[in-house]
Amino acid sequence: AQKITQTQPGMFVQEKEAVTLDCTYDTSDPSYGLFWYKQPSSGEMIFLIYQGSYDQQNATEGRYSLNFQKARKSANLVISASQLGDSAMYFCAMREGQQGGSEKLVFGKGTKLTVNP
Amino acid sequence: DTGVSQDPRHKITKRGQNVTFRCDPISEHNRLYWYRQTLGQGPEFLTYFQNEAQLEKSRLLSDRFSAERPKGSFSTLEIQRTEQGDSAMYLCASSQQGGTNEQYFGPGTRLTVT
Repeated sequence: AQKITQTQPGMFVQEKEAVTLDCTYDTSDPSYGLFWYKQPSSGEMIFLIYQGSYDQQNATEGRYSLNFQKARKSANLVISASQLGDSAMYFCAMREGQQGGSEKLVFGKGTKLTVNP
Repeated sequence: DTGVSQDPRHKITKRGQNVTFRCDPISEHNRLYWYRQTLGQGPEFLTYFQNEAQLEKSRLLSDRFSAERPKGSFSTLEIQRTEQGDSAMYLCASSQQGGTNEQYFGPGTRLTVT
């Protein structure tokens, strides 16, 4: 079974508008971390934001925020005030076991975001 | 502050040849990871090191693949007897143990096996 599901292969948004990229995950481990990465056409994975399973508040980093709904096992990325440079692939990833567990990241298949001028 | 670097950026090789890739992590990071990414997919974990110890290996890492990190700094990934199915982007990442342990990725090495 897939551990990370990103159901939107592609998304379009107008410049300066907000967009939400969906991510659901599957784990029975009570301790886990969720990550979002951006991959522009150049290929490099850029770390955006992190949410721990025990974090009480939703994570925010500048224009990025993570809408964490633990009961629904979802960790959606919200990008506010989209810019043309936000056009890229976006990957959701999970690491199970925050301390002492596996250190590998399991990635979803990604969502291609296109920002239109 | 330099990021993760990988060399070469591109490699074209004939089936059956051996190839070796190098990764230099962020200098203060003690963890180093290798992932493989094929077209249209997210990266898949291959292996990871903490200092010089290889602590985890994926089933994807067949006996044709070997990774080393001899002095706990740079790492090499070797693929022996390459096959066309090995064509992919090979990504290296590093992190510092503790905290959120987010992984920082290099630009990748794109391997094409003809």
